[in-house]
Amino acid sequence: QQQVRQSPQSLTVWEGETAILNCSYEDSTFDYFPWYWQFPRESPALLIAIRPVSNKKEDGRFTIFFNKREKKLSLHITDSQPGDSATYFCAATNQGGSAKLIFGEGTKLTVSS
Amino acid sequence: SVLLYQKPNRDICQSGTSLKIQCVADSQVVSMFWYQQFQEQSLMLMATANEGSEATYESGFTKDKFPISRPNLTFSTLTVNNARPGDSSIYFCSSSGGSSYEQYFGPGTRLTVL
Repeated sequence: QQQVRQSPQSLTVWEGETAILNCSYEDSTFDYFPWYWQFPRESPALLIAIRPVSNKKEDGRFTIFFNKREKKLSLHITDSQPGDSATYFCAATNQGGSAKLIFGEGTKLTVSS
Repeated sequence: SVLLYQKPNRDICQSGTSLKIQCVADSQVVSMFWYQQFQEQSLMLMATANEGSEATYESGFTKDKFPISRPNLTFSTLTVNNARPGDSSIYFCSSSGGSSYEQYFGPGTRLTVL
């Protein structure tokens, strides 16, 4: 059972556009949702994260929108740059439990110039 | 945050052999996690390792195949027993630092089984 789902599987946007990456989850006990990005031949790196007490988290060009009722969140990347081209993983965990991260399938983003 | 180091960076081994992957943290951490990632795929949690107790394995991963040791708060070892070509993937260790929710990953060990 896939507890964290992402869409689309791949996404191409032009430089300067806004990329929107979607994520949904099933377990209502999840209380921490980090997004990681991973460049080829590198390890995943923490990009931005949100906890359900907030419905929005912003860090520069990256913003998470969170809808607890629908168990959905999205990552918006404004003014996309070619350097943003990477695979983005949405993850979820229950910090009160084992704190293990459950990853979605990932979205491969390509920003064309 | 916490910095994690893995050794080796990559390894090539023959089918049927065993190999060890080491993970070292630059500070004491409560839990260490091991993930497997096949090329172009997501990360799959293999097990959680806490000091002084047996690792907790996720579905599809067993102690016999992937024994994990956690002798102290900065170190963990993942062993791949009876390696098969299907085990060829990247193995990452990860952990959170102190009381932080943020989880960080080591650089990974790329394993190729011939």
